[in-house]
Amino acid sequence: DTEVTQTPKHLVMGMTNKKSLKCEQHMGHRAMYWYKQKAKKPPELMFVYSYEKLSINESVPSRFSPECPNSSLLNLHLHALQPEDSALYLCASSQESSGATTEAFFGQGTRLTVV
Amino acid sequence: GQSLEQPSEVTAVEGAIVQINCTYQTSGFYGLSWYQQHDGGAPTFLSYNALDGLEETGRFSSFLSRSDSYGYLLLQELQMKDSASYFCAVIHQGGKLIFGQGTELSVKP
Repeated sequence: DTEVTQTPKHLVMGMTNKKSLKCEQHMGHRAMYWYKQKAKKPPELMFVYSYEKLSINESVPSRFSPECPNSSLLNLHLHALQPEDSALYLCASSQESSGATTEAFFGQGTRLTVV
Repeated sequence: GQSLEQPSEVTAVEGAIVQINCTYQTSGFYGLSWYQQHDGGAPTFLSYNALDGLEETGRFSSFLSRSDSYGYLLLQELQMKDSASYFCAVIHQGGKLIFGQGTELSVKP
């Protein structure tokens, strides 16, 4: 199983809502990532988890709150988002978050629209 | 800082060979990767170069020259399904996978 599964596939939320994005992998990978991607732009790194601990936060606003409940699951909690936060949110995983890792596996993403 | 430069668009015909270049300004990275992303899809891994030289995987090859801060992806025997965005990416210490701006490849009949 070389799949990273993200739910939901689409999400529309108001600026006062609280919602969560979920990501799951069963490849035994110890590093998991959240990326944000706008149309016609590259994926932009948000967070890196290594062995279930947050190792990198790319100065992401606090309205985005990541959580790694266990080695297979990664959540992104959303609260008080702005319309400019509308984007494709991609989850990825890799064996490790070191130079030994050569390949990251991406989920299909959650297309988020903030209204 | 880090920057990776790629051409924004490339057009080629079916059966042709196309090269997508990537020049970078960064330090302390482990290697150069290439990812393909179809419209509405997830990025998928194509190739990785840790050392200078050419890596070949089927119709796709990738090259790295650290002394020139340069790499490229070579796609041979182009097919319509190769129309997609192609990103070079560097892996930094601590697990940062940073992407270039991407090249949109259009394959024409």
